[in-house]
Amino acid sequence: QVQLKESGPGLVQPSRTLSLTCTVSGFSLTSYGVSWVRQPPGKGLEWIAAIWSGGSTDYNSALKSRLSISRDTSKSQVLLKMNSLQTEDTAMYFCARSLGDAWGQGASVTVSS
Amino acid sequence: DIQMTQSPSSLPASLGDRVTITCRASQDIGNYLRWFQQKPGKSPRLMIYGATNLAAGVPSRFSGSRSGSDYSLTISSLESEDMADYYCLQSKESPYTFGAGTKLELK
Repeated sequence: QVQLKESGPGLVQPSRTLSLTCTVSGFSLTSYGVSWVRQPPGKGLEWIAAIWSGGSTDYNSALKSRLSISRDTSKSQVLLKMNSLQTEDTAMYFCARSLGDAWGQGASVTVSS
Repeated sequence: DIQMTQSPSSLPASLGDRVTITCRASQDIGNYLRWFQQKPGKSPRLMIYGATNLAAGVPSRFSGSRSGSDYSLTISSLESEDMADYYCLQSKESPYTFGAGTKLELK
């Protein structure tokens, strides 16, 4: 069945770079896109970025300068990098197939010194 | 960017009620509108896609509709398992944008 699983560092210092990995199974990254969505504690959902089946990418306008999304199809992994982290980036980070057909369980990221 | 204005932010309701949540798009998105349900501590779940299409496994008491730039999610008869947060998402164009969310709670 379709599964997505996020992995990441948990705690990141301010101004550093966050690297998150989404490992998928049950579908191919060359057939489906993957999005990243985040949710600060007690707040709503925010779409961050996507990489599509053909390899093209899209980014949130406000975060675009800090983001990079890529993939390794041989490993069935999608990688998200966000630089210059601030406390406001503390959130649960989800990866999802396409625009939310299926979701991972989320990875909690805290930005703190 | 397309703005999605979702209302109400909170909706107290009783079991058996018919409830409706609405999102208004700041520009034309056609039927590129999705609805998600999220329960505390859980990942979102796709409920409606293409504005009116029920996702797999979603109970038939859920429905989606469109009137111009207004999109609605309706639950015909509220059940306890429906208490959750609901979000709309415009999937017409990047950057994709969510509504602010509606907390559905027992009155």
